[in-house]
Amino acid sequence: EIVLTQSPATLSLSPGERATLSCRASQSVSSYLAWYQQKPGQAPRLLIYNASNRATGIPARFSGSGSGTDFTLTISSLEPEDFAVYYCQQRSNWPRTFGQGTKVEIK
Amino acid sequence: EVQMLESGGGLVQPGGSLKLSCTASGFTFSSYAINWVRQAPGKGLEWVSAISGSGDSINYADSVKGRFSISRDNSKDTFYLQMNSLRADDTALYYCAKGFQAFDMWGQGTMVTVSS
Repeated sequence: EIVLTQSPATLSLSPGERATLSCRASQSVSSYLAWYQQKPGQAPRLLIYNASNRATGIPARFSGSGSGTDFTLTISSLEPEDFAVYYCQQRSNWPRTFGQGTKVEIK
Repeated sequence: EVQMLESGGGLVQPGGSLKLSCTASGFTFSSYAINWVRQAPGKGLEWVSAISGSGDSINYADSVKGRFSISRDNSKDTFYLQMNSLRADDTALYYCAKGFQAFDMWGQGTMVTVSS
């Protein structure tokens, strides 16, 4: 099973700041990585697929990069609605796996 | 509008069974893979199972293999998760999620609680 390790566990930032979230895979997943946002009491929402492609309706301040084992989700300027938990997920191998999540909280 | 709606959750004793349903609308159901993903209270996301659009490719997480069974009825735009031999650590909110490349549409989840 491919293990995804996200860092940091918690990111404390202010609105307007840049957020950089990391996801590292235990073996190469090529570009088969997605990012999701989850707010309290809500289902996850797809942000990025295939490492760098924004999903429909996702603002341009969200961007993804990386390939192989190291991936980054960047939020260029945090809006109040961006404070949430973010998960990465791989589709390279079965079973599909998620990272443990990074919480972006208001500083 | 694309929607997915789970049902069938509830309280069940350890060792018991439960069958979850997910009904979809707003897209060609048989063209898409469907997944079940669960989230234990206060915890992260765990992928559980997936079935291809045709139903001929099925995969499970090791934690549920041999106990859970996924299926779909394309004539009813509904798919199912039969859960047997339930354990306390199966307690979670169960989501159905559409997609193979990524999970681009999620239901709101149905809660399963395994407790005596």
